[in-house]
Parts: sequence; structure tokens; C-alpha cells
Amino acid sequence: RKEVEQDPGPFNVPEGATVAFNCTYSNSASQSFFWYRQDCRKEPKLLMSVYSSGNEDGRFTAQLNRASQYISLLIRDSKLSDSATYLCVVNVGRGSTLGRLYFGRGTQLTVWP
Amino acid sequence: SQTIHQWPATLVQPVGSPLSLECTVEGTSNPNLYWYRQAAGRGLQLLFYSVGIGQISSEVPQNLSASRPQDRQFILSSKKLLLSDSGFYLCAWSDRVPGSQYFGPGTRLLVL
Repeated sequence: RKEVEQDPGPFNVPEGATVAFNCTYSNSASQSFFWYRQDCRKEPKLLMSVYSSGNEDGRFTAQLNRASQYISLLIRDSKLSDSATYLCVVNVGRGSTLGRLYFGRGTQLTVWP
Repeated sequence: SQTIHQWPATLVQPVGSPLSLECTVEGTSNPNLYWYRQAAGRGLQLLFYSVGIGQISSEVPQNLSASRPQDRQFILSSKKLLLSDSGFYLCAWSDRVPGSQYFGPGTRLLVL
């Protein structure tokens, strides 16, 4: 079983739409959680961390359900510039200083005008 | 602020040739360093990580090797490239306290 599983999409939505991505992780010892964004042929960039209480950054809202081992990302009022692949990432702590990051394969989003 | 550099940006190499990719980090000290590979249409695969100078851990046995000769320098090497080594190679760093990682711009390698 993969450490992190995501629906690969693609999701094709019009500008202004609300879109939600889901992700599940298998290791209950996972310590921290993130969403990364990767544009075509570019490096992944940190979009936001995900906290148990849920957190919001502008149009983006992330939720974590530890009991269900489930993470979500909601994008409201989609913009053309939101088109990218969104990676669900889980940090499984190991040792005193190193956290192993596990990446989902990503969900592709295309926002059309 | 911290920055991470990788070079070259793109590379085309024949099968059987050697490889050396370099990554350097600025603006931080004692970072954890990582090498990942992303094959076309695939997810990120962790290749190596390092918690200090000379300390390298391998995640996947293969014909690649890594070295960390200085605190903020991480090198990925191969003596003989295979076709399957083609991909997008990404270097990343993180603070000593485990958390998010920050990626360099990557090297796109094509082995012919």
C-alpha cells in the first residue's frame, strides 16, 4: 500500500469554481502534513502546511482528519493561475533530526476561462 | 533568506557516461539535504538524504551515489548512466527540526 494516495484527476474547472482535492495516508505515526504545488516542468513549492484544527490561507483551506488519516485542500474562486499539480505530502518522523517526506503522485488541476 | 541552487539545468548524456550534479544551499547551516528523482508522469522518489558532512543514506539501491563534501553542498554522481536514469532530479533542504522541504530548480537529465 502506498504511503500517500491521491486522486490523480485531472480536474478541469471554470474560473470562479470551487474545487476540492482529497488525500489519504497509511502511516498513523505521521507527524506533519503539507500541500505542495508543482507547475509544469518546475520544482514543487510549498503551498501550505495542514494543521489538525484546519487552516486557511486566502482562497485555500486545508483540513486534516487524523482518525481517518485523510487530508483535503479546498480552493475557492479558482483562478487561471491555480492550474498546476497539487501534491499531498506527509512527514513521518524518524530519528531525532530527520523527517521522511512521502509525496503523493499529485492531482492535476486545469482552470479554464 | 535561504536559497538553493542546482546545475546544470538540463543535461543530455549518452548511456555509459558519468554524471555529476551539484546542489548548494545558501543562508542556512547544518541543513538536511535530499536528492529526489521524478520520472516523466511519475511521483517523487527519494534517492539519498544527508544529515551532515560525509553522512549519506540511500533509499533506493541503484547505480547512483551521493556525497556531501561541505555542509551546504550535495553532489549526485554516477559512473555509468543507464537509460532508466533519465528524469528530473531535484535537490531539497530542510531545517534540522523535521518539517517541510524546499526544492531547488532541478536538473532535467536525458540519457540517450
